[in-house]
Amino acid sequence: AQKITQTQPGMFVQEKEAVTLDCTYDTSDPSYGLFWYKQPSSGEMIFLIYQGSYDQQNATEGRYSLNFQKARKSANLVISASQLGDSAMYFCAMREGLSLGADGLTFGKGTHLIIQP
Amino acid sequence: EAQVTQNPRYLITVTGKKLTVTCSQNMNHEYMSWYRQDPGLGLRQIYYSMNVEVTDKGDVPEGYKVSRKEKRNFPLILESPSPNQTSLYFCASSSIRNYGYTFGSGTRLTVV
Repeated sequence: AQKITQTQPGMFVQEKEAVTLDCTYDTSDPSYGLFWYKQPSSGEMIFLIYQGSYDQQNATEGRYSLNFQKARKSANLVISASQLGDSAMYFCAMREGLSLGADGLTFGKGTHLIIQP
Repeated sequence: EAQVTQNPRYLITVTGKKLTVTCSQNMNHEYMSWYRQDPGLGLRQIYYSMNVEVTDKGDVPEGYKVSRKEKRNFPLILESPSPNQTSLYFCASSSIRNYGYTFGSGTRLTVV
């Protein structure tokens, strides 16, 4: 079974609208971390936001927020007021346990987001 | 500047010709890892290293070798590359107790 599922292969969104990128995860470990990375067309991987399993509040970083619903095993990325520069691939990833181990980070297959003017 | 440096960025080679992709980090991170990224498959871990002289296989290790003789360097070696190793490769590092990876800029490898 996949540990990270991103159900939206691609999305088109109008500039300035809010965007929600879906991510569900599967783990039996009570300690885990969830990450979102952005990969623009230039190819590099850019860290966006992190949520720990014991964090009481949803993580926020500027225009990015993580809608963490622990019971549903959901960690959706919300981008407010989207910009043309947000067009990229977005990957959800998970670390199982309190620290990095043999599995490293497990990545979803990504969502290709295109912001239209 | 804290970074992971991969070289080369682009490489085209022929089947069977040994190659090495270098990776170096300046953050004194214990953990280093290699991933390959293929369309529709996402990122898959090739090898990882928890510290100097400690390496182990990830999900797709066949056809690759690594070494960790120094803490900062973690080269990826393809002894006899084949066309199915054409991919985008990422090196990443992290403090084990930290939150996640710092990635290198990626190496786009084509094997013909």
